[in-house]
Amino acid sequence: DAKTTQPNSMESNEEEPVHLPCNHSTISGTDYIHWYRQLPSQGPEYVIHGLTSNVNNRMASLAIAEDRKSSTLILHRATLRDAAVYYCILRDGRNSGAGSYQLTFGKGTKLSVIP
Amino acid sequence: DAGVIQSPRHEVTEMGQEVTLRCKPISGHNSLFWYRQTMMRGLELLIYFNNNVPIDDSGMPEDRFSAKMPNASFSTLKIQPSEPRDSAVYFCASSLAVISGYTFGSGTRLTVV
Repeated sequence: DAKTTQPNSMESNEEEPVHLPCNHSTISGTDYIHWYRQLPSQGPEYVIHGLTSNVNNRMASLAIAEDRKSSTLILHRATLRDAAVYYCILRDGRNSGAGSYQLTFGKGTKLSVIP
Repeated sequence: DAGVIQSPRHEVTEMGQEVTLRCKPISGHNSLFWYRQTMMRGLELLIYFNNNVPIDDSGMPEDRFSAKMPNASFSTLKIQPSEPRDSAVYFCASSLAVISGYTFGSGTRLTVV
């Protein structure tokens, strides 16, 4: 899997928007951009994914740069429950025939939310 | 759906004992993954299955680790014999064989003393 770079940590005030950046300058044309988060003492949780266009769901928005070399996860109003480690991961979208859909997690960004 | 179900939630065992971790994936998902998480190494993929067949076990640390998926609704990860350095949280995840999200279980916290 291609590599991603994220800041180690970020802080946000409660009820304010949060923009979590991710750089992936070596992304290939078939790589999807996935975001997961892991709350304390829980398993990782899927947040959102996209290929080229910006994506929105009930949890967050994903803004993808035109050249696809970076992306930003946007939490529109941070709550205390959003305090977690956020992982940006590239996942190859090609069907290899054997079904190779593995995710490789990096260190992620630890988001702290200040009341 | 109850999600991915792992058991036990916690396991404490003595060095040298056999440990078996269990996972029930989401019905209809045909890819299953075993991860291990430690403070030092983060989340590591150990092995994954597609349609019950092991596809890549290159992340399995040693021959002491083995995993099976006898049917679409059950998988086990076995460590025999266990060692203190195997202490970690072990996660199971499942997904559809298309570009979609993984669903992770709540994990098994293993402590080997």
